[in-house]
Amino acid sequence: DAKTTQPTSMDCAEGRAANLPCNHSTISGNEYVYWYRQIHSQGPQYIIHGLKNNETNEMASLIITEDRKSSTLILPHATLRDTAVYYCIVHKLSFGAGTTVTVRA
Amino acid sequence: GAVVSQHPSRVICKSGTSVKIECRSLDFQATTMFWYRQFPKQSLMLMATSNEGSKATYEQGVEKDKFLINHASLTLSTLTVTSAHPEDSSFYICSARVAGGISSTDTQYFGPGTRLTVL
Repeated sequence: DAKTTQPTSMDCAEGRAANLPCNHSTISGNEYVYWYRQIHSQGPQYIIHGLKNNETNEMASLIITEDRKSSTLILPHATLRDTAVYYCIVHKLSFGAGTTVTVRA
Repeated sequence: GAVVSQHPSRVICKSGTSVKIECRSLDFQATTMFWYRQFPKQSLMLMATSNEGSKATYEQGVEKDKFLINHASLTLSTLTVTSAHPEDSSFYICSARVAGGISSTDTQYFGPGTRLTVL
């Protein structure tokens, strides 16, 4: 199974961009990169996914390196409600520990 | 769109009883549903994959006779925890994958979770 590596935690300032890195060096050619987040005691919320090209939606942007071994989720203007655990996932949606993001006023 | 519901959201039961949790895709059809378990301060652990009309596939270490999964329709899957014990207390989360796509591209949408407490 392809595994991902993310920093354990990250603080960011309200209103600033939050850049969340993820390494997935063993990703295979047809596997997508998915990002979810989980606010305490809730089910995970889908954010974005991509294969090779960079993607953007109303929640975030996803930047995938050309070799596809890593990606970065960008929250363009973090708010206090973005405080959550963010999961970067590839194969079969196996969840790692994720990154606990705390947005501070 | 892509809303998944779970019922109940919270359940407390006595040791030895069975508990059924429902997972419904409200606005789409799901050929595949997944069941996860999450203990406090831990990540989600996949328990089983359920395809409509066929037997569920359980992950290693998950007892299929204890965690009964039924996926009778494209919008409903149920998880029954049989003879529940305190160690089964956990947060159970289901997810549903949209029908009709290529497996590697289909996005999973998650339910809000069910908090099970076994006394």
